[in-house]
Amino acid sequence: AQTVTQSQPEMSVQEAETVTLSCTYDTSESDYYLFWYKQPPSRQMILVIRQEAYKQQNATENRFSVNFQKAAKSFSLKISDSQLGDAAMYFCAYRSNQGGSEKLVFGKGTKLTVNP
Amino acid sequence: DSGVTQTPKHLITATGQRVTLRCSPRSGDLSVYWYQQSLDQGLQFLIQYYNGEERAKGNILERFSAQQFPDLHSELNLSSLELGDSALYFCASTGPERETQYFGPGTRLLVL
Repeated sequence: AQTVTQSQPEMSVQEAETVTLSCTYDTSESDYYLFWYKQPPSRQMILVIRQEAYKQQNATENRFSVNFQKAAKSFSLKISDSQLGDAAMYFCAYRSNQGGSEKLVFGKGTKLTVNP
Repeated sequence: DSGVTQTPKHLITATGQRVTLRCSPRSGDLSVYWYQQSLDQGLQFLIQYYNGEERAKGNILERFSAQQFPDLHSELNLSSLELGDSALYFCASTGPERETQYFGPGTRLLVL
């Protein structure tokens, strides 16, 4: 079974600075997707970024980018020019793409605090 | 706004009772997924439906059941409720490619 580990329960960053959230995963599959979701105090789960495992190029969405290291099974999220609205729980998630279940497997989350 | 709607937003009930949570997927989405978020278990997959048929099951208790109707909305039924069932229940849906799941706002269930 696949597992996702987020080793940083909490992180903090100064406004306008850059922060990197870590995620590692365990799988024997070669074809899958990885996601970062943001959960602000409203509790809504918001998609931040998506990475297909077969794509070597790291995904980028505005101030958010990932460092995908397939061999190391690492998928970190970099937030540049941090804003107060980035404060939230961030969840890393894995989804198989080799048939069978399409469920998301989540890590425990990292709580990000942005200091003014 | 993801386009996925869930009702009710909050639900307070007593142990032993039964409740129904409702989810309407994004327009045109055929797949619906249910997740439970609790403090001790984190975010866990419960069940998936695709176009009315059950497609995958996760850690869903026997006291819980779900279904997807012809209009593609889905309901999660929780019965014989226990204190430990208190959690945030999310519904998510995906488009035809079923790659990215878009989440509803959740239903917060409190069992007293």
